[in-house]
Amino acid sequence: EAQVTQNPRYLITVTGKKLTVTCSQNMNHEYMSWYRQDPGLGLRQIYYSMNVEVTDKGDVPEGYKVSRKEKRNFPLILESPSPNQTSLYFCASSLALTGGYTFGSGTRLTVV
Amino acid sequence: KQEVTQIPAALSVPEGENLVLNCSFTDSAIYNLQWFRQDPGKGLTSLLLIQSSQREQTSGRLNASLDKSSGRSTLYIAASQPGDSATYLCAAPGVSGGYQKVTFGIGTKLQVIP
Repeated sequence: EAQVTQNPRYLITVTGKKLTVTCSQNMNHEYMSWYRQDPGLGLRQIYYSMNVEVTDKGDVPEGYKVSRKEKRNFPLILESPSPNQTSLYFCASSLALTGGYTFGSGTRLTVV
Repeated sequence: KQEVTQIPAALSVPEGENLVLNCSFTDSAIYNLQWFRQDPGKGLTSLLLIQSSQREQTSGRLNASLDKSSGRSTLYIAASQPGDSATYLCAAPGVSGGYQKVTFGIGTKLQVIP
């Protein structure tokens, strides 16, 4: 089944403890991106990747890192999480920016 | 900078009614326009994708139109059902501020009353 898989689905962590949210797609898509969704603000793009080793900032990149060493994986790294990063996070992929998007099921992150 | 607006923010209709959701965007240089459905706490499910060269797309009871010149897209839902209750989002990918990005509307929360 064609899908985008995110892990974990839920995560509660403490301020400053590094964490990684994984994202993997099995559709050989070139374009991958991360979003956070907050009430009243909608979905905001954090980082995106046009292909392996090609990444760029979105609207809200501060406090996040990404890497794209393989085409299928695009992990989101929070080096020192803070409470304002509590949010619902989504990974998405597309064959190209001009194509349709497939979203993962989301990761609900709580930083205390 | 691309801005995407969805009106209304919330909508409540009786079952069986036909309805229209609106999406407007400020920059017409978009690659396509995609409509999604999101159930509470869940991910986004793609409903319809309209390429920039197209005018409309249909899937079952759903019909989406795109008018780039006026910066508008509409999602028409025929014979609404309680199972259609969800938040509907539109997304417009393109180049904004020199970056390849996708801009989302905040969504329209639809409630279909049995």
